[in-house]
Amino acid sequence: KAGVTQTPRYLIKTRGQQVTLSCSPISGHRSVSWYQQTPGQGLQFLFEYFSETQRNKGNFPGRFSGRQFSNSRSEMNVSTLELGDSALYLCASMTGLAGNEQFFGPGTRLTVL
Amino acid sequence: AQSVTQLDSHVSVSEGTPVLLRCNYSSSYSPSLFWYVQHPNKGLQLLLKYTSAATLVKGINGFEAEFKKSETSFHLTKPSAHMSDAAEYFCVVSDPDYGQNFVFGPGTRLSVLP
Repeated sequence: KAGVTQTPRYLIKTRGQQVTLSCSPISGHRSVSWYQQTPGQGLQFLFEYFSETQRNKGNFPGRFSGRQFSNSRSEMNVSTLELGDSALYLCASMTGLAGNEQFFGPGTRLTVL
Repeated sequence: AQSVTQLDSHVSVSEGTPVLLRCNYSSSYSPSLFWYVQHPNKGLQLLLKYTSAATLVKGINGFEAEFKKSETSFHLTKPSAHMSDAAEYFCVVSDPDYGQNFVFGPGTRLSVLP
């Protein structure tokens, strides 16, 4: 079974631009979550999508948005990039059932100049 | 609200000696608890999980953790450290009462000395 894939793996943008990151979950998984990881703040939860609906949301500004498609693939968008958005963005998939673990992708390293 | 405290930001042990990484959580009556490991420039890998079955949970690579409800703890142990265990370790709590959000602890960096 293929694991969680994220594209692109590395991205360099400048302030004010927008970016879209993509995540393909494990086949059969209906839940996709997004996290931001930085040295200062650690791992912070952005949002979770389940069957194309946002089920949970963290405390991030509206510049961060996401969506999920009918095949469970998910995209995350960040508009009006700021220097502080530089981070490793991790995607995780799970079946969506209580108690099940999340499986993580390798992440997208975003650098904002 | 859920929260996770990892009591040590950095633990250093010698190869072949025991490892203890501490985790305390705040959650509802029956949370799910996980330990993940992250090697440099890699994604997170699940070590083990507790979901209200046996309180002593065995994971991969010789790691295990014990759920102690009275102490709200879920400490991770390994009898003998290996150089390849050097990584960042995250304790995670997930609670259906809070919409199944996965809340990560701040992480503990484990160094293994030769």
